Amino acid sequence: DAGVTQSPTHLIKTRGQHVTLRCSPISGHKSVSWYQQVLGQGPQFIFQYYEKEERGRGNFPDRFSARQFPNYSSELNVNALLLGDSALYLCASSLGTDNQPQHFGDGTRLSIL
Amino acid sequence: AQSVTQPDIHITVSEGASLELRCNYSYGATPYLFWYVQSPGQGLQLLLKYFSGDTLVQGIKGFEAEFKRSQSSFNLRKPSVHWSDAAEYFCAVGFGDYKLSFGAGTTVTVRA
Repeated sequence: DAGVTQSPTHLIKTRGQHVTLRCSPISGHKSVSWYQQVLGQGPQFIFQYYEKEERGRGNFPDRFSARQFPNYSSELNVNALLLGDSALYLCASSLGTDNQPQHFGDGTRLSIL
Repeated sequence: AQSVTQPDIHITVSEGASLELRCNYSYGATPYLFWYVQSPGQGLQLLLKYFSGDTLVQGIKGFEAEFKRSQSSFNLRKPSVHWSDAAEYFCAVGFGDYKLSFGAGTTVTVRA
């Protein structure tokens, strides 16, 4: 069975640009979460979506937005990129019901020049 | 505020020796507890999870973890380490709505 897939795997942008990252969850999973992992740190929660509705939001500026589509895939958008946005962006999916863990993709490495 | 602490930034262990990674959390109630492993350039793989019940949890790759409520700890152990266990290990805490909070991670180096 396919796991969580993310695209692209690597991306280079310059300050002020916009970026869209994509995530396809495990088949049957209805919840998708996004995390930012800065080098040398643990992942930080950005968003969670369940059944196309925002279920939770972390402490990130409004430049970060996301959405979930009817097929449960998701996009993370970041506007006005800053150098500090350079990180590994991880997507995780889960069934969305109680007692079910999140399963992570391999992430998108975003570098801002 | 909720927090997850992994006191050891880096641990070096000999192949075949035992391994223990520490994790402490701060929260008003017992959360869900997880250990994930991350190899270089890859995402996170779930090793094991604790939701309720038996406080000793078995996971994949020969890992186990013990939940101790009195110490707010969820330490990860492996009796005999293999070279392939070299990676970064993250303890995480979830609160029912699955917004995971992660510790800063412990890097494990395995020497021959």
